[in-house]
Amino acid sequence: DVKVTQSSRYLVKRTGEKVFLECVQDMDHENMFWYRQDPGLGLRLIYFSYDVKMKEKGDIPEGYSVSREKKERFSLILESASTNQTSMYLCASSFSLAGLSYEQYFGPGTRLTVT
Amino acid sequence: AQSVTQLDSHVSVSEGTPVLLRCNYSSSYSPSLFWYVQHPNKGLQLLLKYTSAATLVKGINGFEAEFKKSETSFHLTKPSAHMSDAAEYFCVVITMFSGGYNKLIFGAGTRLAVHP
Repeated sequence: DVKVTQSSRYLVKRTGEKVFLECVQDMDHENMFWYRQDPGLGLRLIYFSYDVKMKEKGDIPEGYSVSREKKERFSLILESASTNQTSMYLCASSFSLAGLSYEQYFGPGTRLTVT
Repeated sequence: AQSVTQLDSHVSVSEGTPVLLRCNYSSSYSPSLFWYVQHPNKGLQLLLKYTSAATLVKGINGFEAEFKKSETSFHLTKPSAHMSDAAEYFCVVITMFSGGYNKLIFGAGTRLAVHP
């Protein structure tokens, strides 16, 4: 079974803090994704990586950055956390062939609260 | 541009009765469509997928969905609801991303409640 793990299930941070969310997958997938999930909005893509050290902005990248130094690990960074970044963050990974992504496998999510 | 619309934000059924979760899509080409399920405090799990093969797609846990091009719909059904089906369901369409990669576009979700 594909396993995608996220470093924390719940996280509480203060406004202005730098926050790191870590995601690890064990299936040698090329693609990795970070989403945030908010009620009534579904999932929105923050950043996407299709290879080590490669990244693409998603639909809502403002206030976030990412790092992918190893194939299995994809980190989401909030440089200076703000209250409007309180949300559920979901990491996903997928296989890729000739640039086409297949279904994504999701981690359990990190519920981040910024106070 | 590709998009999906889930027509109901909440659906409530009794255990043992049929489930219908409605999804309409918009796509400029033949789409690939998924349904994902999210149980409370869990990650998303793929229920089923349509990728231009058979229009009636069977998934896990007795769910199925029918792709209807004429109606631009991909509704999710189950003949008999079980208490364990209570969850949030997302209809998803694949779209082209920058650089030619695919990305998923999620609907807003439908929360299914199942009553005894």
